[in-house]
Amino acid sequence: EVQLLESGGGLVQPGGSLRLSCAASGFAFSDYAMTWVRQTPGKGLEWISRLSHRGGTYYADSVKGRFTISRDNSKNTLYLQMNSLRVEDTALYYCAKDTGVRGFPAFDPWGQGTLVTVSS
Amino acid sequence: DIELTQSPSSLSASVGDRVTITCRASQSISNHLNWYHQRPGKAPKLLIYAASNLQSGVPSRFSGSGSGTDFTLTISSLQPEDFAIYYCQQSYDIPYTFGQGTNLEI
Repeated sequence: EVQLLESGGGLVQPGGSLRLSCAASGFAFSDYAMTWVRQTPGKGLEWISRLSHRGGTYYADSVKGRFTISRDNSKNTLYLQMNSLRVEDTALYYCAKDTGVRGFPAFDPWGQGTLVTVSS
Repeated sequence: DIELTQSPSSLSASVGDRVTITCRASQSISNHLNWYHQRPGKAPKLLIYAASNLQSGVPSRFSGSGSGTDFTLTISSLQPEDFAIYYCQQSYDIPYTFGQGTNLEI
């Protein structure tokens, strides 16, 4: 069974940093692209970053230059380093596995999410 | 960025009903459109990918259609577990974007 388990969320002050982790199991982690999506009551679902299986990285403009996605294939773990955090980064952060259908990215499954709160 | 607009924003229906949700893209996205639903307190779950392909393990009462800018998700006979929020998402261009959601209520 494919499982994704996020961790690392918490309360941080504006300008601070956090690193989220997503531990994967049940599939050949290194063979799949992985994605981070966040959710807020006000803005709904927002795609924020993708890391292809070949190492290509992509970011939403809202986080570009502040967030860094990476992976450790030896640990089957995806990361999201978040720097210069803003109040508007407050959200539930999900990692998700790409389905692997060539040319048609889609996200399944998703982890349970980790909550990030940016507040003074 | 490609904007996705779902309609309706909310929908009341009954068990056994046939329902349709639409998603309109601000530009052509070919068939690069996915559908998810999200039950309360749970993560989103993929239902349909590439506009019309049923994800493995998803019941056949779910179907998708469309191409270009207009897409639909149809549930042929609503079951109690289908009451959730439904989202469309485009994977045609980065940044991948989601619709605002359709709340399907009893």
